[in-house]
Amino acid sequence: QVQLVESGGGVVQPGRSLRLSCAASGFTFSNYGMHWVRQAPGKGLEWVAVIWYDGSNKYYADSVKGRFTISRDNSKNTLYLQMNSLRAEDTAVYYCAREGEVGTISLAFDMWGQGTMVTVSS
Amino acid sequence: SYELTQPPSVSVSPGQTASITCSGDKLGDKYACWYQQKPGQSPVLVIYQDNNRPSGIPERFSGSNSGNTATLTISGTQAMDEADYYCQAWDSPTVVFGGGTKLTVL
Repeated sequence: QVQLVESGGGVVQPGRSLRLSCAASGFTFSNYGMHWVRQAPGKGLEWVAVIWYDGSNKYYADSVKGRFTISRDNSKNTLYLQMNSLRAEDTAVYYCAREGEVGTISLAFDMWGQGTMVTVSS
Repeated sequence: SYELTQPPSVSVSPGQTASITCSGDKLGDKYACWYQQKPGQSPVLVIYQDNNRPSGIPERFSGSNSGNTATLTISGTQAMDEADYYCQAWDSPTVVFGGGTKLTVL
């Protein structure tokens, strides 16, 4: 079925690294821009990063720029988020989200994963 | 950086109309969309490109966007509509979310 499944979350110490994955299925992954969005406990949604459908462009929120790297492997239908130099304030549920196809549901996230929890704590 | 402002909470009686606003500088020049999030669940897109409903979203959900304000309107609000709602727009090439509005149906 059409879905996004995140994995890789866990508890990590401040300053350490973690890599999240998002496995896509049921649609042509290489046709879509993909995003990471996070939500700290009890807080609102915060956009983290975007990667274009072909990986040619990547953009980041100021809060993670220089520490996080978004990437994708279209041959494996998988999106990644490499998180380095983690801080307590990075603690959140991390969602991957699909950007709607141009000409249809453009400029919005029409599919979300279930999320994976990242806790940064000593 | 671009900011979107939402009221923290809105209350509505069942069957009445709920309106949730989202304010940002010249927001009407951008496309706004809206997400519904229920406790423990992932967000769900309910309105895109200001006033379009994805397949499966009830007709009671509608949207508008003009000037500095986008508005999500829920007509004939039902108990199942109680949730957090987030607006979102692009400050290209990045994305911005509003702080969220908790809709209470009482």
